[in-house]
Amino acid sequence: DAGVTQSPTHLIKTRGQHVTLRCSPISGHKSVSWYQQVLGQGPQFIFQYYEKEERGRGNFPDRFSARQFPNYSSELNVNALLLGDSALYLCASTPSDRGSGELFFGEGSRLTVL
Amino acid sequence: KNEVEQSPQNLTAQEGEFITINCSYSVGISALHWLQQHPGGGIVSLFMLSSGKKKHGRLIATINIQEKHSSLHITASHPRDSAVYICAVRNYAGNNRKLIWGLGTSLAVNP
Repeated sequence: DAGVTQSPTHLIKTRGQHVTLRCSPISGHKSVSWYQQVLGQGPQFIFQYYEKEERGRGNFPDRFSARQFPNYSSELNVNALLLGDSALYLCASTPSDRGSGELFFGEGSRLTVL
Repeated sequence: KNEVEQSPQNLTAQEGEFITINCSYSVGISALHWLQQHPGGGIVSLFMLSSGKKKHGRLIATINIQEKHSSLHITASHPRDSAVYICAVRNYAGNNRKLIWGLGTSLAVNP
């Protein structure tokens, strides 16, 4: 059974561009969360989606948006990229939106903004 | 002050040593996670605790809800245990079911 898959694994963009990152949760998992991890720091919560609805949002500007599809996969979109958006973007899936579920992470998408 | 504090921040051990990493938190939680992150990024969930103690191989995790404290122990440490170990707590703030992360403990185990 496949784990959480993220794509692309690495990408390079320039300032002002737009990026879309994708995440497929573990089969049967309905909740997806997105995290940003800047080099040398811990992950920062961006969004949580459950059953295609946003259930949580971290302290990120409106340039960051996300959505979840009927098959529970998710996209994270970042507009007007800034140098500071360079980070590892991690996706985690859990069976539900309750706090009792174990977390399963993808390998991440490493974004470099030049 | 961070809501989740880990200590030590950095730890170097010799192969075979017993290792303890501590996590203290200041918020009400529904669960506490211990995670491992190797260089290059991927995060692996080690334990999810809401009470008591769990053991998996050479890893043991304990939590004391009253004291708001958890420990991760590694017995007979090995160089392959070298990684960043992160404590994260699940806190309900309204409808925001987010994780609050510690800053991590960077462990290096020397042969």
